[in-house]
Amino acid sequence: AQSVTQLGSHVSVSEGALVLLRCNYSSSVPPYLFWYVQYPNQGLQLLLKYTSAATLVKGINGFEAEFKKSETSFHLTKPSAHMSDAAEYFCAVRFNFGNEKLTFGTGTRLTIIP
Amino acid sequence: EAQVTQNPRYLITVTGKKLTVTCSQNMNHEYMSWYRQDPGLGLRQIYYSMNVEVTDKGDVPEGYKVSRKEKRNFPLILESPSPNQTSLYFCASSHRTGGYEQYFGPGTRLTVT
Repeated sequence: AQSVTQLGSHVSVSEGALVLLRCNYSSSVPPYLFWYVQYPNQGLQLLLKYTSAATLVKGINGFEAEFKKSETSFHLTKPSAHMSDAAEYFCAVRFNFGNEKLTFGTGTRLTIIP
Repeated sequence: EAQVTQNPRYLITVTGKKLTVTCSQNMNHEYMSWYRQDPGLGLRQIYYSMNVEVTDKGDVPEGYKVSRKEKRNFPLILESPSPNQTSLYFCASSHRTGGYEQYFGPGTRLTVT
């Protein structure tokens, strides 16, 4: 079955440190890949997306992600964490181009330590 | 402003009392979808619609109904709500071409007692 795995339901990093949030998917065919962010009491906002162009994708707020086909991964990174990055992050994958469905990972809550 | 709106944002109801959560988008999107978000489970798709009068089940459709009579609206109907439908619900929409980004509404927090 097609699935999306986010390792680590909670991640804590110090302000100014590197942020790394992991996402792996199960598929032999490269899908479309997305990272969304959810701030408290808000909806989901798109951070970045991979749609078969450049494998290193830059998004908003200084985040970027690299698509690695051989590892079926799409990890999210940011060189220097800011307090405002505290939120929940979801990796989402479109496996089936027929119904536009997004399959989500279970989410990673990012805490920034002052 | 391009947006997806949902109403109500918060709802507390009792078991068995029919309710409707409305969803509307102003971006002329063909595709619309409903998700529920539960702790530790991420978002799961309930129903989706590829266009007007075209709807289909997602991963967790039991206990829900939808309709798509107009392109901009996609209401979610709970005919007889039960406590296990207590959740945070999101409506989303997108075009069926291009980058396929889905735009999400602000969410509806439903509590069924």
